[in-house]
Amino acid sequence: DVKVTQSSRYLVKRTGEKVFLECVQDMDHENMFWYRQDPGLGLRLIYFSYDVKMKEKGDIPEGYSVSREKKERFSLILESASTNQTSMYLCASTVGGLDSYNEQFFGPGTRLTVL
Amino acid sequence: ELKVEQNPLFLSMQEGKNYTIYCNYSTTSDRLYWYRQDPGKSLESLFVLLSNGAVKQEGRLMASLDTKARLSTLHITAAVHDLSATYFCAVVISNQFYFGTGTSLTVIP
Repeated sequence: DVKVTQSSRYLVKRTGEKVFLECVQDMDHENMFWYRQDPGLGLRLIYFSYDVKMKEKGDIPEGYSVSREKKERFSLILESASTNQTSMYLCASTVGGLDSYNEQFFGPGTRLTVL
Repeated sequence: ELKVEQNPLFLSMQEGKNYTIYCNYSTTSDRLYWYRQDPGKSLESLFVLLSNGAVKQEGRLMASLDTKARLSTLHITAAVHDLSATYFCAVVISNQFYFGTGTSLTVIP
């Protein structure tokens, strides 16, 4: 079974803190994604990566950065957390190139609260 | 601007009844996915629809795709309580996944 894990299920941080969210997949997937999920807005793509050290902006990259130093790990960084970044963060991965028709496999999510 | 719209947003239905969830999208796409999310859990893939006219069925759920109408449906047959969850559709455009807002389904006895 594909396994996508995220470092924390729940996280509480203060405004201005630097926050790291880690995602690891164990199936050698090329593509990895970070989304945030908010009520009434569905999932919105923050960043994605199709290879090590490669990254592409999604729809809402402002206030976020990412790092992919190893194939299995994709990190989301909030340089200076703000209250409007309180949300559920979901990591996902897919096998194959971006032109493949593979489904995404999701991690369990990290519920981040910024006070 | 790309839009992926689901309706209804909230659905309460009785056990044993049938109902359909709709997913409309505003830009051409030949891939559509349906996911299920249980409260407090992550998303689980249900169906991948890859071509016009595609139909897939799993248990009491059946999904279809009409790429010309830019419409996908998720039909629920003889609902049971275990189907209570939030259902999302997603389309792929320019190698990005775009999700609908979700339909929260509650099946009541």
